[in-house]
Amino acid sequence: GENVEQHPSTLSVQEGDSAVIKCTYSDSASNYFPWYKQELGKGPQLIIDIRSNVGEKKDQRIAVTLNKTAKHFSLHITETQPEDSAVYFCAASSYTPLVFGKGTRLSVIA
Amino acid sequence: DTEVTQTPKHLVMGMTNKKSLKCEQHMGHRAMYWYKQKAKKPPELMFVYSYEKLSINESVPSRFSPECPNSSLLNLHLHALQPEDSALYLCASSQTSGPTETQYFGPGTRLLVL
Repeated sequence: GENVEQHPSTLSVQEGDSAVIKCTYSDSASNYFPWYKQELGKGPQLIIDIRSNVGEKKDQRIAVTLNKTAKHFSLHITETQPEDSAVYFCAASSYTPLVFGKGTRLSVIA
Repeated sequence: DTEVTQTPKHLVMGMTNKKSLKCEQHMGHRAMYWYKQKAKKPPELMFVYSYEKLSINESVPSRFSPECPNSSLLNLHLHALQPEDSALYLCASSQTSGPTETQYFGPGTRLLVL
């Protein structure tokens, strides 16, 4: 089955700097890659997703890149703000339900 | 509107109690999910309903019993739970149960079993 590895597990950045979180997956048939943000005491919120026919997708300060050959995808957050502090989960799916990475705790220091 | 609602927000129950968690969505989605999330871990899939029929049961113990009364509602009935069942229980929905469909999560019910 699919296995998703996520790095780093924790990330601290200064406000205004960029943050990058990386995930690798094992199943070459996977073709859907969402990213979720989970704040303390809340459910995961979809922030961006990408499908395998696209290499990059942007939404304001957030971007996701996908390298299908290398089987990895990354989340990029630019101009980080304190409200970006949260746990971020990547996920992948092909013919089976979503498989999540273990999460990255991002802290943005003002 | 991409809102999934869950009640209650918090629940404390004893090991002999029977309780139910409720989830509702009005996005016209035909797939609904229950996940369990322990602290500092990712969500773990428990059940998937597709068009009101149970399509996936991830080998969940029978003390958890899901129910889908209609396409907008999803319940999780709890009975004889163990302390290790304490967790955040998340409901999600998507247009269909296809693996590339975007899932929208509710805020969760935080369950404590004493």
